[in-house]
Amino acid sequence: DIQMTQSPSSLSASVGDRVIVTCRASQSIAGYLNWYQQKPGKAPKLLIFAASSLQSGIPSRFSGSGSGTDFTLTISCLQLEDFANYYCQQSYTTPYTFGQGTKVEIK
Amino acid sequence: QVQLVESGGGLVKPGGSLRLSCEASGFTFSDYYMSWIRQAPGKGLEWVSHISNSGTIINNADSVKGRFTFSRDNAKNLLYLQMNSLTSEDTAVYYCARLTIDSGTYGYYLDHWGQGTLVTVSS
Repeated sequence: DIQMTQSPSSLSASVGDRVIVTCRASQSIAGYLNWYQQKPGKAPKLLIFAASSLQSGIPSRFSGSGSGTDFTLTISCLQLEDFANYYCQQSYTTPYTFGQGTKVEIK
Repeated sequence: QVQLVESGGGLVKPGGSLRLSCEASGFTFSDYYMSWIRQAPGKGLEWVSHISNSGTIINNADSVKGRFTFSRDNAKNLLYLQMNSLTSEDTAVYYCARLTIDSGTYGYYLDHWGQGTLVTVSS
């Protein structure tokens, strides 16, 4: 199975900060990488697919980049509603494994 | 709008069985692969399975092989997850999600999720 490792596991940031979350795959997954946001008690929501494509309706402050084994999710100007858990997921081959998650907390 | 509504969760004893359903609306169900993902309390997301639009292709995680069965009824817009030989390790919120495949990009992604249904395995 492909292992997905996110870093950091958690971070504290302030409104207006630039936040970067990284995701590393244990083998090359080309661009088959998705990012999801999950708030407590809610279902995950798709933010970015195919490494860098913004899902419809998602604010442009979210962006993704990378290919192969190394990927990043960037939130350019953190808003109050962005404090949540973020997960990467590879869809290169089954099982479509997720990273362990990154919790973005208020500083 | 796309809606996915899971049902069938609850408390079950170890070794028991449960069947989850996911009712889809707002899109042509028979055009899409569908997935199940679960999340143990306080833990991360675990991909469980996906099933092709026709129901003929099924992939699932090793952790559920031989115990969980996946099916769909395209006439009723329903997705099913039959869970047998349940253990405490299966305690989780189970989500169904639509898998969109964009052949023009590297796009295989879960673009719509249900609200989830909680399965608790305990004596």
